Amino acid sequence: DGGITQSPKYLFRKEGQNVTLSCEQNLNHDAMYWYRQDPGQGLRLIYYSQIVNDFQKGDIAEGYSVSREKKESFPLTVTSAQKNPTAFYLCASSKSPGGGANVLTFGAGSRLTVL
Amino acid sequence: QKEVEQNSGPLSVPEGAIASLNCTYSDRVSQSFFWYRQYSGKSPELIMSIYSNGDKEDGRFTAQLNKASQYVSLLIRDSQPSDSATYLCAVKIMDAGGTSYGKLTFGQGTILTVHP
Repeated sequence: DGGITQSPKYLFRKEGQNVTLSCEQNLNHDAMYWYRQDPGQGLRLIYYSQIVNDFQKGDIAEGYSVSREKKESFPLTVTSAQKNPTAFYLCASSKSPGGGANVLTFGAGSRLTVL
Repeated sequence: QKEVEQNSGPLSVPEGAIASLNCTYSDRVSQSFFWYRQYSGKSPELIMSIYSNGDKEDGRFTAQLNKASQYVSLLIRDSQPSDSATYLCAVKIMDAGGTSYGKLTFGQGTILTVHP
């Protein structure tokens, strides 16, 4: 079945450590996105990518980095510069970067806790 | 003013009643509107999309869009305990360049509880 796979599901990090969250999709979607969700909050966009080897900052990109070397993969690195990284991270994809309905499909999420 | 705002909730309704969820948005040129349902600890799942003024029905769900008043709502008829979840309104907001590239802006969500 096609879908989005995020790993790990749960991750614990010590302060000062960088961690990388994996996101892989086999939907042949062009665009991929990373959102962050805090308790009782909606989703906030961190980074998005419309095409391989290209990505743009979202609303809260500080302290995060991404790469898009393959169409299927869009890993997110949470760096030590991110002051409050404890959150639920959601990866999503959509069929085309612009126009149309652009319905998002979400992965199951990764929950990061800083100890 | 937030770009997308939802009624704060939580909203509690008895089983079988109609649940009404509301959302307002600030960008007049927004064209695409979505309702996602999110169970606790899970990822959002799309339940309705609407692009034109008026009503769109899908089973027990009806989305209503009024672009002039900049609001979109979701009605759930014959509410069931399994409908208990957080409902997220999402709007495709145009960026400064006049494009949105599929970026969605989400409201903060409304927690719905349907009690037997």
